[in-house]
Amino acid sequence: NAGVTQTPKFQVLKTGQSMTLQCAQDMNHNSMYWYRQDPGMGLRLIYYSASEGTTDKGEVPNGYNVSRLNKREFSLRLESAAPSQTSVYFCASRSGDRLYGYTFGSGTRLTVV
Amino acid sequence: GNSVTQMEGPVTLSEEAFLTINCTYTATGYPSLFWYVQYPGEGLQLLLKATKADDKGSNKGFEATYRKETTSFHLEKGSVQVSDSAVYFCALSGQGGKLIFGQGTELSVKP
Repeated sequence: NAGVTQTPKFQVLKTGQSMTLQCAQDMNHNSMYWYRQDPGMGLRLIYYSASEGTTDKGEVPNGYNVSRLNKREFSLRLESAAPSQTSVYFCASRSGDRLYGYTFGSGTRLTVV
Repeated sequence: GNSVTQMEGPVTLSEEAFLTINCTYTATGYPSLFWYVQYPGEGLQLLLKATKADDKGSNKGFEATYRKETTSFHLEKGSVQVSDSAVYFCALSGQGGKLIFGQGTELSVKP
């Protein structure tokens, strides 16, 4: 089925460990996004990529890096995980027209101990 | 800057009750407005949208009207079902097409 695929679905890290969250979409969308979801705070934008080859910071970029590997893939890296990064992470994509909504992946639940 | 404010939850209703979830926004220009729904353990799904003033978005019995004069986009459904239990997010598409979300409202429908 067409959509946004995220891996892994669950992950537990120790403080200071690093990891990369993977995201791929097969809808030929130009824009891709990484959000984190925390209780009572809705979704907050971490980084986004308006098109292949470009990335920009969102509302909460500290502690994260991203790579837009090609049009399909947009990865999120935690270089040195902290307990404050315990969250559910969602990747999303959108076609070029801002009138259309996003398509979201099913999320990665990350716990940092 | 742009922002979205939703009524706090959780909201608990009996089956077949009328639902309203309030959403107001602050934005420059003319944003598009959206409602997303998140079922337990899943990602967000687009429920409905409106792209200009006085537009009404509708889907699965849910409706919301883009009210520019009151900067609101309240979600309504005439008769809720147990299967509507989920978290509902109001969002606007602002500068560069980035979505800005409200904090979410949890709805629980009891049989």
